[in-house]
Amino acid sequence: SQQGEEDPQALSIQEGENATMNCSYKTSINNLQWYRQNSGRGLVHLILIRSNEREKHSGRLRVTLDTSKKSSSLLITASRAADTASYFCATDAGWAGGGADGLTFGKGTHLIIQP
Amino acid sequence: EPEVTQTPSHQVTQMGQEVILRCVPISNHLYFYWYRQILGQKVEFLVSFYNNEISEKSEIFDDQFSVERPDGSNFTLKIRSTKLEDSAMYFCASSQGSTNEKLFFGSGTQLSVL
Repeated sequence: SQQGEEDPQALSIQEGENATMNCSYKTSINNLQWYRQNSGRGLVHLILIRSNEREKHSGRLRVTLDTSKKSSSLLITASRAADTASYFCATDAGWAGGGADGLTFGKGTHLIIQP
Repeated sequence: EPEVTQTPSHQVTQMGQEVILRCVPISNHLYFYWYRQILGQKVEFLVSFYNNEISEKSEIFDDQFSVERPDGSNFTLKIRSTKLEDSAMYFCASSQGSTNEKLFFGSGTQLSVL
């Protein structure tokens, strides 16, 4: 099964606008995390939401989790040019998801903020 | 700010050769990981390491792969006999308190197998 699929694959918006990215997954999870990757660099952890949480905020980031729909969204408010990057959701299925295989990443959403 | 350091940043090797990728995790972290990203594909889990032993490994992590923490600071990934399909960006990561939570990633080693 494909775990952690983001959409859209690419998103281009104007600076100052809000950006919303979505993630769907297949199995039960312990938590879901969002990471950012700038071109040629490692991933940077942004925010973690646990399976018993529905919404979480961190600065300009807002994450929601709907375990009934097996989906999550990442909202970046008041976007800046520096937010240009690829954004990945990653799920930790743990033993609840039928196995323990580290984090499962999606293919990511490439976000471009136009100045 | 503490960071995960990986060396080398680029490694070119011939098919069949052994390579060792090196990582220095963040000093007070307890959990260590290797992931890889083939160009244009998803980041894939290879292995996690805790308390001086492998705690999880994926199907990718076969007998050709091994990990070691030879001293208190380094964490290495060895590929014994490289294949063309091992070409990828290899990321080391570490986390502090819980496995698979809030990973800190290094900048990666780009491995090219010719």
